[in-house]
Amino acid sequence: QVQLQQSGPGLVKPSQTLSLTCAISGDSVSSNSVAWNWIRQSPSRGLEWLGRTYYMSKWYNDYTTSVISRITINPDTSKNQFSLQLNSVTPEDTAVYYCVRWLHDSRLFDYWGQGTLVTVSS
Amino acid sequence: DIVMTQTPLSLSVTPGQPASISCSSSQSLLLGDGKTYLYWYLQRPGQSPQLLIYEVSSRVSGVPARFSGSGSGTDFTLKISRVEAEDVGVYYCMHGIEAPITFGQGTRLEIK
Repeated sequence: QVQLQQSGPGLVKPSQTLSLTCAISGDSVSSNSVAWNWIRQSPSRGLEWLGRTYYMSKWYNDYTTSVISRITINPDTSKNQFSLQLNSVTPEDTAVYYCVRWLHDSRLFDYWGQGTLVTVSS
Repeated sequence: DIVMTQTPLSLSVTPGQPASISCSSSQSLLLGDGKTYLYWYLQRPGQSPQLLIYEVSSRVSGVPARFSGSGSGTDFTLKISRVEAEDVGVYYCMHGIEAPITFGQGTRLEIK
């Protein structure tokens, strides 16, 4: 059974960096059959895929164009986890953030973290 | 980016009555392997989304038979034959074609 446990602050000031971590149990961040994603949800944007990291002989990242200049998703093989960093946040980045596993063969999201409400406010 | 459009955005249904949600995509979700990568998720209040239906019509293990999916190409439907109280939540369609993965706006189902 795969479990994804999210951690990180729930309040970030405008212009600062949002940082979240997702600890994986029951799978490996280096598995070559899956990708590790961040998805956020807000009333204005709905469910928005932000990006992913995955390993297939080497590490790859994909990001959505709306945040590509501000986002970094990194794997941490020593701790079997991955992280999200979103720079220069504004109130429009206020959302519930989820870490999610993607299966390459099935092309679907199967396991979701519990979600973290991140509010951007001074 | 592939745009996913759902209708209606909300539904109020009497228990035991049917419900239907439509989803259309801005391009075909059929790939060269012959599979159509359209999914349905349910987000119950206070929970993360959970997968109900994959590849248009295949139910995930444990999903009741009252849920069914149909469609092809760019037009898809999720049907609940007889709505129960536990079906309350927001239903999302999603494609699995290419990054960025996108979702429909969601359809909120409530019980009358």
